[in-house]
Amino acid sequence: AQSVTQLGSHVSVSEGALVLLRCNYSSSVPPYLFWYVQYPNQGLQLLLKYTSAATLVKGINGFEAEFKKSETSFHLTKPSAHMSDAAEYFCAVSEGGQGAQKLVFGQGTRLTINP
Amino acid sequence: DAGVIQSPRHEVTEMGQEVTLRCKPISGHNSLFWYRQTMMRGLELLIYFNNNVPIDDSGMPEDRFSAKMPNASFSTLKIQPSEPRDSAVYFCASSFWGEQFFGPGTRLTVL
Repeated sequence: AQSVTQLGSHVSVSEGALVLLRCNYSSSVPPYLFWYVQYPNQGLQLLLKYTSAATLVKGINGFEAEFKKSETSFHLTKPSAHMSDAAEYFCAVSEGGQGAQKLVFGQGTRLTINP
Repeated sequence: DAGVIQSPRHEVTEMGQEVTLRCKPISGHNSLFWYRQTMMRGLELLIYFNNNVPIDDSGMPEDRFSAKMPNASFSTLKIQPSEPRDSAVYFCASSFWGEQFFGPGTRLTVL
């Protein structure tokens, strides 16, 4: 069965610093992988997705993630944090492989940006 | 496209009352998902439908919860009777090929 582990339930960085949110997955079949962001009092919004094309995926708001099969990782990065990046971030893997409808979500990482 | 539409956005009710949450998925999407989010338990998948048919309801907490999808453009999640521990934000999401689009959620408070 597919699963997702997000390392660190809370991450705090200074404005302008590198953002690194860690995600490791477990999947017995080639996966689709996703990062979602949730701002306060809102639903989840897709940041980016990996669907077996390029291993480096660029998303909205300057975020990107790299699929590393050997490490079963899909870490999310942004070179320079902005105050507006403060939110909760969820990593997800498609259950059943590519194109499967059901997603398995990680527990989320709350990102705080310090001025 | 208006995105996934949920109603009501906020619901306050008393213990024992029936609560019905509504969702309109994005047109053309063939899968619909109901999630519950709380501070203690995080984001939980309750049930999902594919082509209006319930596929996996293993996340439905108990018989008080029921969900229907009578057609491709409408779904309901009903709680009867409601209890204070049902207080949470309930999200509906729809998808066509993997990527899920979430609605704004319904914040339910059961007193």
